Amino acid sequence: AQSVTQLDSQVPVFEEAPVELRCNYSSSVSVYLFWYVQYPNQGLQLLLKYLSGSTLVKGINGFEAEFNKSQTSFHLRKPSVHISDTAEYFCAVSVSFNTDKLIFGTGTRLQVFP
Amino acid sequence: EPEVTQTPSHQVTQMGQEVILRCVPISNHLYFYWYRQILGQKVEFLVSFYNNEISEKSEIFDDQFSVERPDGSNFTLKIRSTKLEDSAMYFCASRKGAIPNSPLHFGNGTRLTVT
Repeated sequence: AQSVTQLDSQVPVFEEAPVELRCNYSSSVSVYLFWYVQYPNQGLQLLLKYLSGSTLVKGINGFEAEFNKSQTSFHLRKPSVHISDTAEYFCAVSVSFNTDKLIFGTGTRLQVFP
Repeated sequence: EPEVTQTPSHQVTQMGQEVILRCVPISNHLYFYWYRQILGQKVEFLVSFYNNEISEKSEIFDDQFSVERPDGSNFTLKIRSTKLEDSAMYFCASRKGAIPNSPLHFGNGTRLTVT
């Protein structure tokens, strides 16, 4: 069975600092990987996804993530965060065949301070 | 940009009562989903729906749950007899095509509180 681990439940950071939100997954088969963001009182919005090809994927709002198959990781990074990046970030995986459900991590609350 | 719309934003109900959560997916989307998030826990898959039938459901989606697309635009989740542990944020989602290239669009959620 697949699972997703987000080790950091909260990440406080000052504005304009870099940030990395960690995500590790376990799966015995190929997966697709996603990061979603949830702003207060809103739904989940897709930030970026890895399907195949280049392991470095770029998303919206200046975020990027790197797929590392050997470490089964898909960490999310941003070189300089803004106050408006304060939100909950969810890593998710989808098995590449036979099912289209997403398996989510527990989320990481990114809090950006001025 | 088209959105997935969920109503109501907050529903309070008493234990044992039936509740219907409503969703209007994006109009040209073909695949529909319900997820839920118990406070402080993971977002969990409940059910997927395609071509007017359930294509996959999780262990959570037992006989107390049902889904329906009654009129070609709405997509509803019914909980027949609510339990305290059904209290959660319920998210509807839709996608236009098959995975993986078709992104999943989520609604803002309905917070269900069972008292």
